[in-house]
Amino acid sequence: EDQVTQSPEALRLQEGESSSLNCSYTVSGLRGLFWYRQDPGKGPEFLFTLYSAGEEKEKERLKATLTKKESFLHITAPKPEDSATYLCAVLPRGSQGNLIFGKGTKLSVKP
Amino acid sequence: EAGVAQSPRYKIIEKRQSVAFWCNPISGHATLYWYQQILGQGPKLLIQFQNNGVVDDSQLPKDRFSAERLKGVDSTLKIQPAKLEDSAVYLCASSSQGVSTDTQYFGPGTRLTVL
Repeated sequence: EDQVTQSPEALRLQEGESSSLNCSYTVSGLRGLFWYRQDPGKGPEFLFTLYSAGEEKEKERLKATLTKKESFLHITAPKPEDSATYLCAVLPRGSQGNLIFGKGTKLSVKP
Repeated sequence: EAGVAQSPRYKIIEKRQSVAFWCNPISGHATLYWYQQILGQGPKLLIQFQNNGVVDDSQLPKDRFSAERLKGVDSTLKIQPAKLEDSAVYLCASSSQGVSTDTQYFGPGTRLTVL
């Protein structure tokens, strides 16, 4: 069964304190791995897509990496506005678009 | 470019009542998705349309849920009759080309509370 596990469930950081979020996955072939950000009361906002092991993508203070079994979202020198829930989703081989989401990591950044 | 629009944003109903949600995707997007997000969980796909046709509805509880996408643009999702466990946020998403790896862009969602 295709499965996505995110850890930790919640993470509290001080402003400027760098850290990483983990997304472990079990799928029957990976077509793509997606990271989204979700603010309270809003829909998920797209951040990155990764397609193959070794691939990395960056956007401002965020950097996403991918291995054969997991992905990391590295946050460098976070600011309070980075506070949100970060969702990881995988697209299994053979899927027409059904993203399998993890439960998310709720990040809080204190000034 | 306007994003995915959804209405209403909030809905409260009694169990066994019916409810309908509306979605207008990003202009020109061929593929439309409806997801259900229960509190504390990630979104789960209910149904996927490619233009007018259904691509995947394997996780749609067809005894109570129905969806349509007339003219390949707007879509409505209906629940009849609603149960307590249907309380959730219903998210609509769209993607452009119909390729499975296309980025899915989400609307703000409709928060449903069933009492």
